[in-house]
Amino acid sequence: DQQVKQNSPSLSVQEGRISILNCDYTNSMFDYFLWYKKYPAEGPTFLISISSIKDKNEDGRFTVFLNKSAKHLSLHIVPSQPGDSAVYFCAAPRDSGYALNFGKGTSLLVTP
Amino acid sequence: NAGVTQTPKFQVLKTGQSMTLQCAQDMNHNSMYWYRQDPGMGLRLIYYSASEGTTDKGEVPNGYNVSRLNKREFSLRLESAAPSQTSVYFCASSSAAAYSPLHFGNGTRLTVT
Repeated sequence: DQQVKQNSPSLSVQEGRISILNCDYTNSMFDYFLWYKKYPAEGPTFLISISSIKDKNEDGRFTVFLNKSAKHLSLHIVPSQPGDSAVYFCAAPRDSGYALNFGKGTSLLVTP
Repeated sequence: NAGVTQTPKFQVLKTGQSMTLQCAQDMNHNSMYWYRQDPGMGLRLIYYSASEGTTDKGEVPNGYNVSRLNKREFSLRLESAAPSQTSVYFCASSSAAAYSPLHFGNGTRLTVT
């Protein structure tokens, strides 16, 4: 049973607009979340994280929002650029404290 | 700065053959991981090693074995490859700090015919 869910397999956005990628989780004990970005033929790279004591974390064009009551987080990219085209994975630490549970990913395409 | 290095990058096996995927990290990380990525399935944990000398199963360990050879190296072995093991395999490492991000290699693309 997947504990981290990304229900949108793909998203297409125009350059300069906002991209919003969504993630839901089932385990209310999760207290830390991460987003990874993956280009074709490369490994995933860490993008941004958020602790459950916050509801927002910002890093440049990337902002993650956490809504604990809804068990939902989102990644906002503003403004979107063609180089942001990649697969984005939402993740949360496993019960063991080691390794991560990943969502299935959302493929973002930013068109010029 | 190499980070996490995986070899080989590509491999084709016949059903029943065996092989070992190699992974090495140069970041002095304590923990290492093996994931597989399949279309529509995201990244699934096969095995992990929290520290040198320990290994534990992840969500999809069947058909695989691992060895934490030393702090730097963590290998994944397929004893008798099956077509269901066709996938892209990623090795990752992380420091011992709680919730520290994982650093991934660039993957091994394995096809079993």
